[in-house]
Amino acid sequence: DAGVTQSPTHLIKTRGQQVTLRCSPISGHKSVSWYQQVLGQGPQFIFQYYEKEERGRGNFPDRFSARQFPNYSSELNVNALLLGDSALYLCASSLEVKNTEAFFGQGTRLTVV
Amino acid sequence: AQKVTQAQTEISVVEKEDVTLDCVYETRDTTYYLFWYKQPPSGELVFLIRRNSFDEQNEISGRYSWNFQKSTSSFNFTITASQVVDSAVYFCALRGNNAGNMLTFGGGTRLMVKP
Repeated sequence: DAGVTQSPTHLIKTRGQQVTLRCSPISGHKSVSWYQQVLGQGPQFIFQYYEKEERGRGNFPDRFSARQFPNYSSELNVNALLLGDSALYLCASSLEVKNTEAFFGQGTRLTVV
Repeated sequence: AQKVTQAQTEISVVEKEDVTLDCVYETRDTTYYLFWYKQPPSGELVFLIRRNSFDEQNEISGRYSWNFQKSTSSFNFTITASQVVDSAVYFCALRGNNAGNMLTFGGGTRLMVKP
């Protein structure tokens, strides 16, 4: 069975641009969460989606948005990129909205120059 | 607010040594879950263990063992007879019962096992 897949694996963007990151959860998993991991730090929670609805949001500016599609895949959008947005963006999928294990993808490494 | 502290930022050991990674947490929830994840250079977070706040039994899985002490809010991780393949960054994480699947991570401990 395929695990959590994220695309692209790496990308480089310029300050002020917009970026879309994609995540496909494990088959049968209905919940997707997004995390930002700045180099040398632990992951920080950005969003959780379940059944296409936002179920949790971390302390991130409105430049960050996400959505979940009927097939449970998800996109994370970041507008007006800043140098500080450079990070590894991790997607986690879980079977239900709570009390189940979260399985992570390999992440998308975003570099903003 | 929830908080996870991993005071050891980096540990270096020689192969076959035992090593303990410390984790201290803060939460106001009476029910919560604690996790350990391993992050190899590839970046993927690999799930190692989940422990709920009602279960204080220590757990052993092969060379890995975990010591959960609610009285000191600690959930420490020991690797016995370390191997070079254990080299990675290890994260302790906390999830409150009402937090969906939102995980609060510690800053991580980089473990280097030298041959």
